[in-house]
Amino acid sequence: NAGVTQTPKFQVLKTGQSMTLQCAQDMNHEYMSWYRQDPGMGLRLIHYSVGAGITDQGEVPNGYNVSRSTTEDFPLRLLSAAPSQTSVYFCASSYQGWNQPQHFGDGTRLSIL
Amino acid sequence: DQQVKQNSPSLSVQEGRISILNCDYTNSMFDYFLWYKKYPAEGPTFLISISSIKDKNEDGRFTVFLNKSAKHLSLHIVPSQPGDSAVYFCAANPSNAGGTSYGKLTFGQGTILTVHP
Repeated sequence: NAGVTQTPKFQVLKTGQSMTLQCAQDMNHEYMSWYRQDPGMGLRLIHYSVGAGITDQGEVPNGYNVSRSTTEDFPLRLLSAAPSQTSVYFCASSYQGWNQPQHFGDGTRLSIL
Repeated sequence: DQQVKQNSPSLSVQEGRISILNCDYTNSMFDYFLWYKKYPAEGPTFLISISSIKDKNEDGRFTVFLNKSAKHLSLHIVPSQPGDSAVYFCAANPSNAGGTSYGKLTFGQGTILTVHP
């Protein structure tokens, strides 16, 4: 039972580089989300999806793109990395509705130099 | 504008005693609240939740209390154990006037709990 799998676990990028953070879940969950965790800021919602083909912006969407072509996968793209995007990124999924407990991956620690 | 606030960055308690973690919110549309626990190098895991139609929810050693008029909730852990040492996040979910959840879960900053043996 893999749950939510995020890859890579660690990544260092140079300013201006692009990258895709992968997220996959094997629980057939409809709802998926991306968060970033920064010191003193808690977890902030970047983008979310309520099903394949449906995505929407969260609290801090600028600089990030998402797509949801399948139920299982929800990749997060950084088109042109900036130092302000240095953070720990978490992907989460839930079965139905936002009041259902979300299952989180173990995170991707991203550093932008 | 921090709509969900955990004003205590850290809390230290003795094993066996009660741990009380607090959370305040400002958005009156929040009507479902969740607590998550996070260990280092792992993702958060769900702990307990409460709907605004209740003022208390209990699950084993964990109890969440909700005071809607004060826009305040608290998580009580009793008795506290060293394995409870982690970061605790409260989160709030809004609903529209029709009572439908519309997502955009908002998290607090987290409180680091340390339980000493």
